[in-house]
Amino acid sequence: DSGVTQTPKHLITATGQRVTLRCSPRSGDLSVYWYQQSLDQGLQFLIQYYNGEERAKGNILERFSAQQFPDLHSELNLSSLELGDSALYFCASSPRLEGWANVLTFGAGSRLTVL
Amino acid sequence: DAKTTQPNSMESNEEEPVHLPCNHSTISGTDYIHWYRQLPSQGPEYVIHGLTSNVNNRMASLAIAEDRKSSTLILHRATLRDAAVYYCILAGFNKFYFGSGTKLNVKP
Repeated sequence: DSGVTQTPKHLITATGQRVTLRCSPRSGDLSVYWYQQSLDQGLQFLIQYYNGEERAKGNILERFSAQQFPDLHSELNLSSLELGDSALYFCASSPRLEGWANVLTFGAGSRLTVL
Repeated sequence: DAKTTQPNSMESNEEEPVHLPCNHSTISGTDYIHWYRQLPSQGPEYVIHGLTSNVNNRMASLAIAEDRKSSTLILHRATLRDAAVYYCILAGFNKFYFGSGTKLNVKP
């Protein structure tokens, strides 16, 4: 157990639907990162939050949004789902804002299947 | 974005050392070099990181070229449990981008 909790572990839904993925960071960590990993692909950075504020954005689609709440948990909202959104979605947390010296702790991921 | 280049796959024999290379010619002065690995069906896990000097920890060693344009992750004695995808990452302010990684196969 890495200390980063992601729910749900598995999710199957239909095209056009909307889902929410949840992440609880490791205790004491203020920064949360979201990544998408499609089948046999590397990890694509989506977005980063630090202490409730958005701090960096990667290749996140406009149909996707995220937020970090006062208790530091984060949610990734995926809407108007398409088949190509099927992927593993990972959340990671770290203690600080700066990326360069941080050690990221990853959760086990949420596997999304869009039919 | 600063990019890393790694071989797609490598193979090693159990109990032998493994040297995993990474090229990062566009590295900036403040970028740290991180290595993570992803075992099958798991999230990535931290291996090691460094800035300029070589680094050692209980998992591995990181050798950084003097010009910082390349680095090598060294697993001193590969085990079957080390079979994974190894990612070399340049981490800068608010950026932590993974490359395509090297899939390491360890033969018994």
